[in-house]
Amino acid sequence: ETGVTQTPRHLVMGMTNKKSLKCEQHLGHNAMYWYKQSAKKPLELMFVYNFKEQTENNSVPSRFSPECPNSSHLFLHLHTLQPEDSALYLCASSSIKGNTEAFFGQGTRLTVV
Amino acid sequence: GENVEQHPSTLSVQEGDSAVIKCTYSDSASNYFPWYKQELGKGPQLIIDIRSNVGEKKDQRIAVTLNKTAKHFSLHITETQPEDSAVYFCAASINSWGKLQFGAGTQVVVTP
Repeated sequence: ETGVTQTPRHLVMGMTNKKSLKCEQHLGHNAMYWYKQSAKKPLELMFVYNFKEQTENNSVPSRFSPECPNSSHLFLHLHTLQPEDSALYLCASSSIKGNTEAFFGQGTRLTVV
Repeated sequence: GENVEQHPSTLSVQEGDSAVIKCTYSDSASNYFPWYKQELGKGPQLIIDIRSNVGEKKDQRIAVTLNKTAKHFSLHITETQPEDSAVYFCAASINSWGKLQFGAGTQVVVTP
């Protein structure tokens, strides 16, 4: 248990579905991140939120829509995904300053059919 | 932007032997270099990190070395045990704990 909880752990969705991934951290951090982990590729940073404000979008397609209502919660809304979007989606949190590393959740294994 | 390369992609070692994983980075401004371990079905977990003002750091059986001039850093695991079997990722960043550029990972298998 890292203090970062992601739900659901597994998700299968059709290309026309709309679904959301949820991430919650209980570490008092003020920065949250979404990463995509595909087979045989490095983890790819998707979005960065600092103090609930999005500070980075790494050219992610608009079919991925993040939301950060407060510093403890992060969502990734999914719609009209493609099969190549199937991957493990990881959430992480950290402090913007101070002496702490980034903690990762266990991820949501997404399969698009 | 930053590019991190990691070698080897797979590493098999006998229990008790040492394992070494090497990474190179491209952006000389990078100043934070964490190593993460990912076990099957789990998210990455930090095992050790090093900042650019330090050349070496050790924590029990794990050590990391950093050569800023050559822009490479390495993870050393001594006296490997079966529970060390996992995928290990190196990463680099500039002034950020979580905005990380990762290497492709090394699958380490420790055989009894």
